[in-house]
Amino acid sequence: AQKITQTQPGMFVQEKEAVTLDCTYDTSDPSYGLFWYKQPSSGEMIFLIYQGSYDQQNATEGRYSLNFQKARKSANLVISASQLGDSAMYFCAMRPYSSASKIIFGSGTRLSIRP
Amino acid sequence: DVKVTQSSRYLVKRTGEKVFLECVQDMDHENMFWYRQDPGLGLRLIYFSYDVKMKEKGDIPEGYSVSREKKERFSLILESASTNQTSMYLCASSHRGHRESNQPQHFGDGTRLSIL
Repeated sequence: AQKITQTQPGMFVQEKEAVTLDCTYDTSDPSYGLFWYKQPSSGEMIFLIYQGSYDQQNATEGRYSLNFQKARKSANLVISASQLGDSAMYFCAMRPYSSASKIIFGSGTRLSIRP
Repeated sequence: DVKVTQSSRYLVKRTGEKVFLECVQDMDHENMFWYRQDPGLGLRLIYFSYDVKMKEKGDIPEGYSVSREKKERFSLILESASTNQTSMYLCASSHRGHRESNQPQHFGDGTRLSIL
């Protein structure tokens, strides 16, 4: 079965601290892509970062990095130096190569940044 | 920048009405998707389309239909709205490239639909 699991329904973090959002996945496809999206309270889904299953290095985009551990099937999002504007829902998602464009989403983690 | 536009941010309709949700993208993407989002359930795929006049069922197609007459436009139709279809509806599009797995989906702002 293809599945994304996010075990943290909610997190509180102090401003300027680093935060790690957990994501584990399950797929039998040898090739797949992993994505993280941010959804602020206004509702739009914002693409943050992508990691390919064959990429040798962990993906980074500004303050976002993806801690990819293939053997453990985990793809945790790390946000460095958190800001108040980082408060949002965060979704981990996966596209197995065989899925023909479909993306499977986790249930999300609500991140709240304390001033 | 990719722009995916949904026709309404908020919509209130009555039980039994036929409801149309419209989505337009301006990046010539081949793929378009409709999701619904409910608390604790994440995003669930309703229908998707690879090309004009092409559609495939997602995970929860019951009670919905779709139409894609032009490449840039993908419509979601609630044939006879029911209260359990009250939800947030998100449209997305993506490019179908040679390394398709690295193509993100780009989302619209969502439509919060209430069925009374």
